[in-house]
Amino acid sequence: ETGVTQTPRHLVMGMTNKKSLKCEQHLGHNAMYWYKQSAKKPLELMFVYNFKEQTENNSVPSRFSPECPNSSHLFLHLHTLQPEDSALYLCASSPDVPPGNTEAFFGQGTRLTVV
Amino acid sequence: RKEVEQDPGPFNVPEGATVAFNCTYSNSASQSFFWYRQDCRKEPKLLMSVYSSGNEDGRFTAQLNRASQYISLLIRDSKLSDSATYLCVVNGGYNKLIFGAGTRLAVHP
Repeated sequence: ETGVTQTPRHLVMGMTNKKSLKCEQHLGHNAMYWYKQSAKKPLELMFVYNFKEQTENNSVPSRFSPECPNSSHLFLHLHTLQPEDSALYLCASSPDVPPGNTEAFFGQGTRLTVV
Repeated sequence: RKEVEQDPGPFNVPEGATVAFNCTYSNSASQSFFWYRQDCRKEPKLLMSVYSSGNEDGRFTAQLNRASQYISLLIRDSKLSDSATYLCVVNGGYNKLIFGAGTRLAVHP
């Protein structure tokens, strides 16, 4: 148990659906991330939030919309997804201590299937 | 060139063997480096940070060569439970953690 909780753990959605992934951490961290992990591919950084402000959008399509209402919660809103968006979506958080060690703690992920 | 490159493996080794993984990174301004471990269908977890002077944690030794932009992980006396994917991770600044594709290790009896 890393202190980062993601819900739901599994999600099946149609291409016309709208759904949201939720991430919650109570570790007092100020940085939160969304990563995508597709089969046989490395983790791809999608978004970074520092102190609730988005500091990185790694050319992610607009059908993925992040929201960070406070430094403990991070959402990923999904709409009109494609089957190739099926993947494991991982949330992580880390202390905001640049440039030193910034260990990231991961949630268990949401396994998303788009049908 | 990929930001973080690793040999995907798999490395198939017998119990008790010593195995070494390498990783190269492209951003010379990177400040911090890590090795993570990911078990099948699980989230990545920190194995160890990598310091300039090199560091050791039990059977695991990590080394950093800034001049060559190269990181290594050495595992001695491999155990069956070491079977996993090992991810090289580089902090590219502003908490932008970049992951390598991972090196798969399979330890057999």
